[in-house]
Amino acid sequence: NAGVTQTPKFQVLKTGQSMTLQCAQDMNHEYMSWYRQDPGMGLRLIHYSVGAGITDQGEVPNGYNVSRSTTEDFPLRLLSAAPSQTSVYFCASSADGTYGYTFGSGTRLTVV
Amino acid sequence: KNQVEQSPQSLIILEGKNCTLQCNYTVSPFSNLRWYKQDTGRGPVSLTIMTFSENTKSNGRYTATLDADTKQSSLHITASQLSDSASYICVVALNTNAGKSTFGDGTTLTVKP
Repeated sequence: NAGVTQTPKFQVLKTGQSMTLQCAQDMNHEYMSWYRQDPGMGLRLIHYSVGAGITDQGEVPNGYNVSRSTTEDFPLRLLSAAPSQTSVYFCASSADGTYGYTFGSGTRLTVV
Repeated sequence: KNQVEQSPQSLIILEGKNCTLQCNYTVSPFSNLRWYKQDTGRGPVSLTIMTFSENTKSNGRYTATLDADTKQSSLHITASQLSDSASYICVVALNTNAGKSTFGDGTTLTVKP
């Protein structure tokens, strides 16, 4: 039982490049979320999903796209990377959206 | 605006001592409040979860309290250990949108020998 798996763990992008951060969970959780955490700050919600085929915007969605074609996977796409997107990105999942979110170990992204 | 404010921002204590972290929130309508521990470079790990009807919840040396009337919660750590050094995050969930929660900025706790 791997829980929530995020790949890659580290990534360096050039401004303007695009990429996809992967998130997979094997707990059959319906709810999945993406957060970013800037140095010394709290987590901010980017996008979330309450089930396959359903996504919605969080607090800071600009510059990011998501899709949820399966229950297991919830990839986050950066359309055109900017230095302001340098951050640590966390994916989390939950059975019912309110209790017991399980977090992945994070992806540390640097945009130069 | 739904907000979660934590205090203090940082705290240094000696090993073996107790400490209490505070969380005040304005999230409404309220569903539940969670405390997470985040070690440096790791994802948050859940410590306690409380609904509005619960006043206290314990997890080993961690005890969370909740006053839904005053919208305040505290996390008390007993007999601190070096491994308690981490960021402690208070998270409050709306009962009208299960996918959204509001995160506090966390309290950074350092336990020194």
